[in-house]
Amino acid sequence: GNSVTQMEGPVTLSEEAFLTINCTYTATGYPSLFWYVQYPGEGLQLLLKATKADDKGSNKGFEATYRKETTSFHLEKGSVQVSDSAVYFCADNHGNNRLAFGKGNQVVVIP
Amino acid sequence: NAGVTQTPKFRVLKTGQSMTLLCAQDMNHEYMYWYRQDPGMGLRLIHYSVGEGTTAKGEVPDGYNVSRLKKQNFLLGLESAAPSQTSVYFCASIGGSTPYEQYFGPGTRLTVT
Repeated sequence: GNSVTQMEGPVTLSEEAFLTINCTYTATGYPSLFWYVQYPGEGLQLLLKATKADDKGSNKGFEATYRKETTSFHLEKGSVQVSDSAVYFCADNHGNNRLAFGKGNQVVVIP
Repeated sequence: NAGVTQTPKFRVLKTGQSMTLLCAQDMNHEYMYWYRQDPGMGLRLIHYSVGEGTTAKGEVPDGYNVSRLKKQNFLLGLESAAPSQTSVYFCASIGGSTPYEQYFGPGTRLTVT
C-alpha cells in the first residue's frame, strides 16, 4: 500500500534560516501529494499540494516539487519566521480520498 | 460557516466507560474521517464515511464504532474505553470544489485512566 516517510526528529533553526523537510513516498501509480501544517492546539490545515509528477506546490513561501524519479516531495522555505513554528506532515492519497500521513516534523524557529 | 466542529474538546474517562464524540460539518461534504494522533505516530485513520449511511474501517478501527445517520454528522463511539485509547482525536471532511483538501476540526483530547 501507499506510505510516506518523513525525516526523523524535530527541526530547530534560527529566524531567516533555510528550511528543508524531507518526504519520500512509496505508492503504486502516481498519488497526489500534500503537506499539511498543524499549529499549536489546532487541527491540520492544507499547506500545499501537487497532483502529478513535476508539479510544484507553493503557499506562504513554502514550496515542494513532486519528483517521480526520486519518489520525493521535500518541503522548503527560503527564510523562516517564528510564526512558522508548527508540526508539518507529508501525506499522499489512497483512494476514497483517504490520506496516509507521515509521522510529522516539529519545527521550532528561534528569534 | 463554522467548518468542522467537534464536541467535546476535552474528556476524561475511566477504563470501561463509554462515550461518543460528535463531529459536525456545515460544508455539505460527502466524505468524513476520524483520526487519532499520538506522539511520534502521526495521524492514523480509524474509520471513514463516503456518504450518508455509509461507514468503512480505516487503519486502526478496533475498539471504536461510528455512525453517519445524517450527512453533516459523523459520530465516533467508544463502547468500553481503555488506556490505550488515550489520544487526540481529529475529525475531517472533504468534498465539493476542493476535492483534495481535507478540512480538520480542532480536535478532542481524551484521557482514559
